[in-house]
Amino acid sequence: DTAVSQTPKYLVTQMGNDKSIKCEQNLGHDTMYWYKQDSKKFLKIMFSYNNKELIINETVPNRFSPKSPDKAHLNLHINSLELGDSAVYFCASSQDRSNSPLHFGNGTRLTVT
Amino acid sequence: SQKIEQNSEALNIQEGKTATLTCNYTNYSPAYLQWYRQDPGRGPVFLLLIRENEKEKRKERLKVTFDTTLKQSLFHITASQPADSATYLCAPLTGTASKLTFGTGTRLQVTL
Repeated sequence: DTAVSQTPKYLVTQMGNDKSIKCEQNLGHDTMYWYKQDSKKFLKIMFSYNNKELIINETVPNRFSPKSPDKAHLNLHINSLELGDSAVYFCASSQDRSNSPLHFGNGTRLTVT
Repeated sequence: SQKIEQNSEALNIQEGKTATLTCNYTNYSPAYLQWYRQDPGRGPVFLLLIRENEKEKRKERLKVTFDTTLKQSLFHITASQPADSATYLCAPLTGTASKLTFGTGTRLQVTL
């Protein structure tokens, strides 16, 4: 059983389009995250939700909007895509907000042309 | 500003040897430090967590040390195998995982 699953795995789209990435975890965790990994492999946090509430919102353009319909889901919607948005986006979850390990999905490779 | 440094150059070692990876951090006082493994095309996978009051933590062939004076963690893999080839990421944290910050990772290549 996949613990953290994200769809799609690959996303190729043109500049200016709007796209969404979905994430679901079946671990019963309280906290979920979105991370962005750029071409240099640097993994940077974007957002964190705890029990559907936004608790971390890093300096991310407001074209990026996360949505958590319930504790098990955290989706990422991106408006007006730009070339610089091309990256791998990882969803993750952890049991709680303490020092619990993160469980990552296998990423969504977004390519903006 | 907070900074996490891992050797950006790949570490190449021979099978059977011990691999040692370094994680240095500045402007941090982490209470915990986590290590992850990332394979190409996959998400990072948690390996070990060490607390500031623990000098050393072991799990099978893995050993992690945490020196809060030097602001450094060392990650050792003993009797390394080709299957250990991956990128290893360190992540110091200050009590809440809500903002876990990762180093850039070190790629380990174990050859026969």
